[in-house]
Amino acid sequence: GAVVSQHPSWVICKSGTSVKIECRSLDFQATTMFWYRQFPKQSLMLMATSNEGSKATYEQGVEKDKFLINHASLTLSTLTVTSAHPEDSSFYICSARPRDTEAFFGQGTRLTVV
Amino acid sequence: AQSVTQLGSHVSVSEGALVLLRCNYSSSVPPYLFWYVQYPNQGLQLLLKYTSAATLVKGINGFEAEFKKSETSFHLTKPSAHMSDAAEYFCAVSVAPGNQFYFGTGTSLTVIP
Repeated sequence: GAVVSQHPSWVICKSGTSVKIECRSLDFQATTMFWYRQFPKQSLMLMATSNEGSKATYEQGVEKDKFLINHASLTLSTLTVTSAHPEDSSFYICSARPRDTEAFFGQGTRLTVV
Repeated sequence: AQSVTQLGSHVSVSEGALVLLRCNYSSSVPPYLFWYVQYPNQGLQLLLKYTSAATLVKGINGFEAEFKKSETSFHLTKPSAHMSDAAEYFCAVSVAPGNQFYFGTGTSLTVIP
């Protein structure tokens, strides 16, 4: 199957700093990627849809100025958590759909803000 | 609008017993349906998918699911549970190429030795 690589797999940062998470499609081009957030023992919540060459589409309630998404190429989307606070600590997962059907997911990034 | 309901947030089975994880969907158009498995601190791995072909879908690791339109269900089964099956399972629905996925709340499967 297709491979989606997410980096880093875990990160600890100080409150007030910014953190960038990368999502790469390794063997296919992805015009659209999706960013999810997952709280412990809960399902995935779609944060935004990342579109190559255009602005991301954010879900209701997601602060676009806090969660900056850039999709500069067909194989790379980045999520930057700006001015991170402890409540931003979570598991972030990206996904992409190389074909019409299933999505492939990155390994996820565990963000801890201290 | 599309949605997925997973009945039972926690399921426990004995090793070797039947695994049944329930998923019901709601969709105004023919759906694509998926089951994903997630191990701790990892991403999601596709188990199987239904995309309007055969209603009985076989996936990896001995799992299978049957699409029942009349019941709007897509339950996941495995005849004999292994310890390695212990994980979180998510049912998801999508309706068109490129559209987002809608996930259920997940079912945590525990396998008792």
